[in-house]
Amino acid sequence: ETGVTQTPRHLVMGMTNKKSLKCEQHLGHNAMYWYKQSAKKPLELMFVYNFKEQTENNSVPSRFSPECPNSSHLFLHLHTLQPEDSALYLCASSIGGANYEQYFGPGTRLTVT
Amino acid sequence: QQPVQSPQAVILREGEDAVINCSSSKALYSVHWYRQKHGEAPVFLMILLKGGEQKGHDKISASFNEKKQQSSLYLTASQLSYSGTYFCGTGVQGAQKLVFGQGTRLTINP
Repeated sequence: ETGVTQTPRHLVMGMTNKKSLKCEQHLGHNAMYWYKQSAKKPLELMFVYNFKEQTENNSVPSRFSPECPNSSHLFLHLHTLQPEDSALYLCASSIGGANYEQYFGPGTRLTVT
Repeated sequence: QQPVQSPQAVILREGEDAVINCSSSKALYSVHWYRQKHGEAPVFLMILLKGGEQKGHDKISASFNEKKQQSSLYLTASQLSYSGTYFCGTGVQGAQKLVFGQGTRLTINP
């Protein structure tokens, strides 16, 4: 247990569905991150939130919509996804900035059919 | 720009040593190392900061060559539990984010 939880752990959705991924951290951290991990690819940063404000959007398609209502919770809203969006989506948190270690949640395995 | 890790994969016997390298074309301020076992989340191992500060794991060491923008992770007397994929993540000064390498798969056999 890293102190970062993600739900659901597995999700299968059709291309016309709308779903949301949830991440919660119990570490008192100020920064939260969404990463995408595809087979045989490195961790791809999607979004960074620092003190609830989005500070990085790594050219992510608009069909992915993040939301950070407070420093402990992070959501990723999904709509009209494509099959190539199938991947492991990882949430992480840290005190803040690249000087501090990141703690990862277990991830949500997403399959788009 | 993504850092480059080498080797891409390595297979060792238990008790042997391993070195994993991470190289960047950017001026780095921090280098992180994480290990990910199959089906699990990446776990923090080590962070090295420009200027020599280092935080990390008791049984794993690392170096950071600031002039060459390179870092190496040293795993000595490897144990079966060391198996997994190792990622380096690099950060520039003032950055909010890390950029991760493609990973090095380490397999330790009995």
